[in-house]
Amino acid sequence: DAGVTQTPRHEVAEKGQTIILKCEPVSGHNDLFWYRQTKIQGLELLSYFRSKSLMEDGGAFKDRFKAEMLNSSFSTLKIQPTEPKDSAVYLCASSPDWGVNYAEQFFGPGTRLTVL
Amino acid sequence: QQKVQQSPESLIVPEGGMASLNCTSSDRNVDYFWWYRQHSGKSPKMLMSIFSNGEKEEGRFTVHLNKASLHTSLHIRDSQPSDSALYLCAASMSNYNVLYFGSGTKLTVEP
Repeated sequence: DAGVTQTPRHEVAEKGQTIILKCEPVSGHNDLFWYRQTKIQGLELLSYFRSKSLMEDGGAFKDRFKAEMLNSSFSTLKIQPTEPKDSAVYLCASSPDWGVNYAEQFFGPGTRLTVL
Repeated sequence: QQKVQQSPESLIVPEGGMASLNCTSSDRNVDYFWWYRQHSGKSPKMLMSIFSNGEKEEGRFTVHLNKASLHTSLHIRDSQPSDSALYLCAASMSNYNVLYFGSGTKLTVEP
């Protein structure tokens, strides 16, 4: 059974560029999450989708970050325009529907973004 | 203010020793706790979860939960160098799948 996949694994961008990160959740999972991880801030929630509906959009990240679920098996995270402080690892996770009771989140391998 | 606080920030234990990690939530709405382990360069992976008062054991790992104080702890006995990793505690609320993560405890097991 395939896990969460993310592409690309590494991305280098110039300040001001637009980048798009991609995520495919585990087949059949209805919940999808985007996180950003840095050593200083730890894991921060960027967005949460349930059955393709946006449930949370991570407040502080609204202005330049936009996550979308194009269908139940594909999501993108767009950062526009990028800034050096966006350098981090971006993690995508998915989990089964809440009806499964307190569902575990499964994380993808992450995309390491470096903004110059 | 972060909903979940972890201590210590880092911990060094000798191989074969006991590692004890702590986690507390400041939000009385949470009722489920998770422990994730993240090896260097890898993504987090769920280790254990607990929602009932008391203790849960899986092999060398034991988790305790005190719901009154919203405190959970993870204990690793007979620690191995392969246990060296970042341990993340998270909390969630009934019927809402968002995990609120702490900053983590970096565990180093020295041979």
